[in-house]
Formats: sequence, structure tokens, C-alpha cells
Amino acid sequence: AQSVTQLGSHVSVSEGALVLLRCNYSSSVPPYLFWYVQYPNQGLQLLLKYTSAATLVKGINGFEAEFKKSETSFHLTKPSAHMSDAAEYFCAVSDSGSSNTGKLIFGQGTTLQVKP
Amino acid sequence: DAMVIQNPRYQVTQFGKPVTLSCSQTLNHNVMYWYQQKSSQAPKLLFHYYDKDFNNEADTPDNFQSRRPNTSFCFLDIRSPGLGDAAMYLCATSRAGGYTDTQYFGPGTRLTVL
Repeated sequence: AQSVTQLGSHVSVSEGALVLLRCNYSSSVPPYLFWYVQYPNQGLQLLLKYTSAATLVKGINGFEAEFKKSETSFHLTKPSAHMSDAAEYFCAVSDSGSSNTGKLIFGQGTTLQVKP
Repeated sequence: DAMVIQNPRYQVTQFGKPVTLSCSQTLNHNVMYWYQQKSSQAPKLLFHYYDKDFNNEADTPDNFQSRRPNTSFCFLDIRSPGLGDAAMYLCATSRAGGYTDTQYFGPGTRLTVL
């Protein structure tokens, strides 16, 4: 079975500092990985996705993630945090172990706090 | 703008009183999903429709049902809500349901059970 683990349920950074949100996956097949952001009382918005093309994936709002097979990781980074980045971030893997339904398996989420 | 719309945004119901949540989409996507997200937890898939084909997750309680009368609309029915069903319910769509397809989420309906 596939799964993702997000290390750190809360991350706090200062405005302008590097953002690093960690995600590790477990999969017996090549994974398809996603990062979503959720602002309070809103739905999820796709930041970026890895679909086995380039290992460094660039997303919206200055975020990027690097797929590292040797480390089974897909960490999300942003060079300089902005106050508007404060939100909940979810890493997810597409469940390719079952039929082609596009089912997403989410990690537990990481709350990003940005301090002025 | 093409989008996924959920109504209502907030729903309060009483223990055991049936409730229906609505989702509509203007994306003309084939697949519609319903996720349940409890407080401080990850979203969990309840079921999805590929066109008119209904696919229930194995661990979705029988209390939860869904209808998709046409491409644009999908409903989540909770027959007898319990206190444990209080959650945010997220509707999502994707074009074809493939492994790499992006899912587009609505803003969610927050359900409170009194």
C-alpha cells in the first residue's frame, strides 16, 4: 500500500526565511506525488505535482519540490517566506495500486506559520 | 471562471436528521470525488463517480450515500448523521481520473451535528 508521511505537524519561519516542508513516501511502484495548500475554511489548491518527468518540479507562488528516489522524499521548498504563505500544506500520492481512479492518499498535513 | 462550487458552505443539522450536501462543477470533468476531512486531519476519500459509475471506498460507512444526476452535479447524502460525522466535506473533480490528473477542489461544506 502507498502512503506519505509529513514530518512536522507545525513549522514556523520568519518572513523572508527559507521554507522547507518534509514529505516522505512509501510506494512499491513509481509514485505520482502532489503538494496541495489549504487556507482556512477553504478547499485544497494544487501547488505542484511530480509525474516522473523532471525531478525538480516548480509550482505556483514560488514553491518547488525535488523528487529523490534514493531518499523516498518529495520535500517542498520556497526560498523566501511571505506572510500570505501561512496555511496548511498536504503532500499526497496518487493511489496507482488500485484501478485508475486518481484516488489521492494524503499525509497528515503541516501547518506553516510565518512570523513578521 | 470554471470552478467547483459547494453549497451550503456551512450546514448545521441535528443528530439523526438527514442532510444533503451539494457540489456542482463548470469544468465538464468526468470524475467527481467526495472527501471527508475531520478537524486537524487529512482528507479521506469517501467515494467517487466516473461519469455515472459509482465507486465506494471499502471503509465508507453505509450512512453515506451519493447521487450524480448529471455531469455537473453531485450530492452527498448522510442518512442519519452522528456526532462523529461532523467534518469538512470536500468535493473535487478531475478530467479523467488518471494517476497524474489534477484534482480541483471546491471550498468545502463544514457540517456541524448538534
